[in-house]
Amino acid sequence: EAGVAQSPRYKIIEKRQSVAFWCNPISGHATLYWYQQILGQGPKLLIQFQNNGVVDDSQLPKDRFSAERLKGVDSTLKIQPAKLEDSAVYLCASSPSPQGGPEAFFGQGTRLTVV
Amino acid sequence: GEDVEQSLFLSVREGDSSVINCTYTDSSSTYLYWYKQEPGAGLQLLTYIFSNMDMKQDQRLTVLLNKKDKHLSLRIADTQTGDSAIYFCALDGQAGTALIFGKGTTLSVSS
Repeated sequence: EAGVAQSPRYKIIEKRQSVAFWCNPISGHATLYWYQQILGQGPKLLIQFQNNGVVDDSQLPKDRFSAERLKGVDSTLKIQPAKLEDSAVYLCASSPSPQGGPEAFFGQGTRLTVV
Repeated sequence: GEDVEQSLFLSVREGDSSVINCTYTDSSSTYLYWYKQEPGAGLQLLTYIFSNMDMKQDQRLTVLLNKKDKHLSLRIADTQTGDSAIYFCALDGQAGTALIFGKGTTLSVSS
């Protein structure tokens, strides 16, 4: 079974530029998550989708971050404009269960550096 | 909101047992998890325990849950250099939604 795929693996941009990350979850998984992991910290949820609907985006900085999951499969996370403090690893995860649970699987992440 | 605390570093010698501890504030989680993260890699689910259990053993891993003290621990028997990584404690959020992670414990294993 293929895992959660993310691209790109690495991205370096200047502040105020925009960037987009892509995630392809495990086939058939209803729930998709985007987490932000700042160096030295644990991952923090940005947004949770169930199919193509948003379940929780309470911690998403909506003035600069946006995410979509068209057709309930792939998802993109965008930052516009980026700030230095957005430097982090962005992790995508998926789960077959609408309520998460122990079957959540993580991708390898996209490491973003904002200079 | 939920707060998950872990000690930041643990150093052990190869062959010894490692015990990584985690404390949390909210007792409404259904599952409690341990994830492993190696440099440059994503998160790997090591093991998890259902909230109505006290202990779970899985080969070299033993998870202990003390709900009264809101304390979760991971014991790794016969620790190997390949176990060197960051270990994260995580809990379900309320209503079984997204995971809430601690800051991670860096385990360093010396030969």
